Amino acid sequence: KNQVEQSPQSLIILEGKNCTLQCNYTVSPFSNLRWYKQDTGRGPVSLTIMTFSENTKSNGRYTATLDADTKQSSLHITASQLSDSASYICVVSEGSTGRRALTFGSGTRLQVQP
Amino acid sequence: DAGITQSPRHKVTETGTPVTLRCHQTENHRYMYWYRQDPGHGLRLIHYSYGVKDTDKGEVSDGYSVSRSKTEDFLLTLESATSSQTSVYFCAISDPGPYNEQFFGPGTRLTVL
Repeated sequence: KNQVEQSPQSLIILEGKNCTLQCNYTVSPFSNLRWYKQDTGRGPVSLTIMTFSENTKSNGRYTATLDADTKQSSLHITASQLSDSASYICVVSEGSTGRRALTFGSGTRLQVQP
Repeated sequence: DAGITQSPRHKVTETGTPVTLRCHQTENHRYMYWYRQDPGHGLRLIHYSYGVKDTDKGEVSDGYSVSRSKTEDFLLTLESATSSQTSVYFCAISDPGPYNEQFFGPGTRLTVL
């Protein structure tokens, strides 16, 4: 069964600090991996999408890495801001089905404190 | 929220009553999806549509039905709501492409008492 595991489940950091969120997956065959940010009471919004051949992709202060050999990804947030407080969801797209099914992690809830 | 609206945004209903949630898009995207999000779980696919009148089941489709009579509207119906269907429901849209990037609506919080 395809699975996406995220760690930690929750994290509290001080404003201005950096943090790294982890994602391990067992989805096969792999098509792409994306990170979403979900603010409280809102729908998820895409941060980055990476294919098999991409190791790193940045979006402002967000940098995602992908190791397709070990099936791991990380999301690094630099110089955190209060507005970074949200849930971050790792999503892996399967490559075989016509609709390219998505498997969602349960998310990491990040709280940035002043 | 990428030209996607959901209605209602909040609903409280009683067990056994029918409920219909609406998703409306202005992006003219071909694919539309309904997900539910519960604490401790990732988003789970209920049903999806790949065109007008073309729908298929997702991983948690029991107790739900859908209809799509127009490109812009995708309806999710709970024929007889149960407490286990208390959840936050998200609609998403996408177009055919290499990434199947999905754009999500704002969600509907449904409580079944």
